[in-house]
Amino acid sequence: GAGVSQSPSNKVTEKGKDVELRCDPISGHTALYWYRQRLGQGLEFLIYFQGNSAPDKSGLPSDRFSAERTGESVSTLTIQRTQQEDSAVYLCASSLVPSYDYEQYFGPGTRLTVT
Amino acid sequence: SQQGEEDPQALSIQEGENATMNCSYKTSINNLQWYRQNSGRGLVHLILIRSNEREKHSGRLRVTLDTSKKSSSLLITASRAADTASYFCATDAEGYGNKLVFGAGTILRVKS
Repeated sequence: GAGVSQSPSNKVTEKGKDVELRCDPISGHTALYWYRQRLGQGLEFLIYFQGNSAPDKSGLPSDRFSAERTGESVSTLTIQRTQQEDSAVYLCASSLVPSYDYEQYFGPGTRLTVT
Repeated sequence: SQQGEEDPQALSIQEGENATMNCSYKTSINNLQWYRQNSGRGLVHLILIRSNEREKHSGRLRVTLDTSKKSSSLLITASRAADTASYFCATDAEGYGNKLVFGAGTILRVKS
């Protein structure tokens, strides 16, 4: 079946503009994760949706970052008033069950460049 | 600070040689996962080892876990150019709920 998809694949925006990134998880996966990966670095957890429970937003770096997910479908990550330090690859992952016992399936990422 | 830290940061070997990467972590864990990231296939899960397991194999991959030392190693035998990638360990962590914490990764380059 189809894997996790993300759009756009690349986004260049001017400092101060808002951007919206989209993630389509694998159908039936109840858990969805957003990560940020700066150049040459590991993955930084941002937010985690776990079925119908309240999302875990503990990784969001500032109130300029927000995310939504409708049910067990698409999620959008919004960054308001973008700054140059927001430049990174934003990765989305889904897993069948919201548990660290299960592998995460990653999308190809959105490369965000803030000029 | 990160739960998982890989070492070395970078490793360069000849095709056919074995590659060993290590991961150390700080708190007790339930399991540890290894992922590979390359430009062609993105980030892909390789193997999961539970805290009550000491060794696990998958094809040319061998993972060991030493919970007393809070460390894991990933061995890739008979490496191929296609193994060139970044390798990350990921663990759950106390107080971190159902999330995984990823290390900074080891960059492996296999020269043909």
